[in-house]
Amino acid sequence: SQQGEEDPQALSIQEGENATMNCSYKTSINNLQWYRQNSGRGLVHLILIRSNEREKHSGRLRVTLDTSKKSSSLLITASRAADTASYFCATDGGYGNKLVFGAGTILRVKS
Amino acid sequence: EAGVVQSPRYKIIEKKQPVAFWCNPISGHNTLYWYRQNLGQGPELLIRYENEEAVDDSQLPKDRFSAERLKGVDSTLKIQPAELGDSAVYLCASSLRGLAGGINTGELFFGEGSRLTVL
Repeated sequence: SQQGEEDPQALSIQEGENATMNCSYKTSINNLQWYRQNSGRGLVHLILIRSNEREKHSGRLRVTLDTSKKSSSLLITASRAADTASYFCATDGGYGNKLVFGAGTILRVKS
Repeated sequence: EAGVVQSPRYKIIEKKQPVAFWCNPISGHNTLYWYRQNLGQGPELLIRYENEEAVDDSQLPKDRFSAERLKGVDSTLKIQPAELGDSAVYLCASSLRGLAGGINTGELFFGEGSRLTVL
């Protein structure tokens, strides 16, 4: 079963535009993580935000977390063609709990 | 530093045949995971090891799937016999996840995956 649900399922934008992906989850978490997966490859960790944090930045990535709404968003600014990939959120319930992935958002950046 | 290494990358077999996947995690990572990813879906955990111990195998179909992690390093995942519905990508990941009271970095490092096609 998958806890996180990403929205939208697919997103197509022009190079240079911003891309926003959302993730909703159901149970309490210790942290929430975002991963990227290029076609035919493994997942690559992008960013981790802990339950006591509200916003985090890493390069062109900005992640927000609203634990009261059980939701998170990933913003990619000034997108590039190389950002084309699937993006997954994953919730971590803490020690003893498994990391649960959502179904992902497919992002296509057109050049 | 070498990443998580998986083999084979691709495997095509007839149904009812056995298949095995191998994973070598990042050196020093005590926790190893096997995930299955169906087309268009996110990865789903099959089994998680902390050192040699399988601490979460609740999602592993034990009638046909087995896994082992000898000496707490490399791991193998076996399917016998394979069914059509087993066609998927099998992902191995590792992390430095602490035991009770220890350090938990949270981040998982994935291998490139083993794509299984059952005909």
